[in-house]
Amino acid sequence: EAQVTQNPRYLITVTGKKLTVTCSQNMNHEYMSWYRQDPGLGLRQIYYSMNVEVTDKGDVPEGYKVSRKEKRNFPLILESPSPNQTSLYFCASSTRLAGGRDTQYFGPGTRLTVL
Amino acid sequence: GNSVTQMEGPVTLSEEAFLTINCTYTATGYPSLFWYVQYPGEGLQLLLKATKADDKGSNKGFEATYRKETTSFHLEKGSVQVSDSAVYFCALISGQNFVFGPGTRLSVLP
Repeated sequence: EAQVTQNPRYLITVTGKKLTVTCSQNMNHEYMSWYRQDPGLGLRQIYYSMNVEVTDKGDVPEGYKVSRKEKRNFPLILESPSPNQTSLYFCASSTRLAGGRDTQYFGPGTRLTVL
Repeated sequence: GNSVTQMEGPVTLSEEAFLTINCTYTATGYPSLFWYVQYPGEGLQLLLKATKADDKGSNKGFEATYRKETTSFHLEKGSVQVSDSAVYFCALISGQNFVFGPGTRLSVLP
């Protein structure tokens, strides 16, 4: 089954304790992306990756890191989480057709609480 | 910069009512436009899309037409069902950057 998986689905942590949220897709997609969803703000793009070893900042990259060492995986790293990073996070992937635009497939989400 | 504006929710309708959710955008270049739907506790799913002016996207009875002259992509459905209750997001991609609207919550009452 084609899917995007994220782990963990729920996480409660404390300020300053490094954490990683994993994202994996089995569709051989080139493009992967991370979003955070906050009430009244919709989804805001954190980082995206056009392919292995190619990453770029989205609209709200501060406080986050990503890496793309393999095509299927795109982990989101919070080196020193703060309470304002409490949010619902979504990973997404898509193919990259000519013109660079296609449908995104979303993971189920990771609800992160930073105390 | 690129942005998407949607009508404020929540929207509450009775079953079989007509639905319109307004969406307007600002973008450089020629964006592709999308409507995504999020059911409770789930991730987003693509509902429909349009990649150029005057294209009409349609799926599951929902429709939206890409209007370049009014920079709009309004979502419509002729007869909503209780199962359509969800949050609807208008979105665009320009270049490699996806931009989403804030979402509109729809509740359909039996």
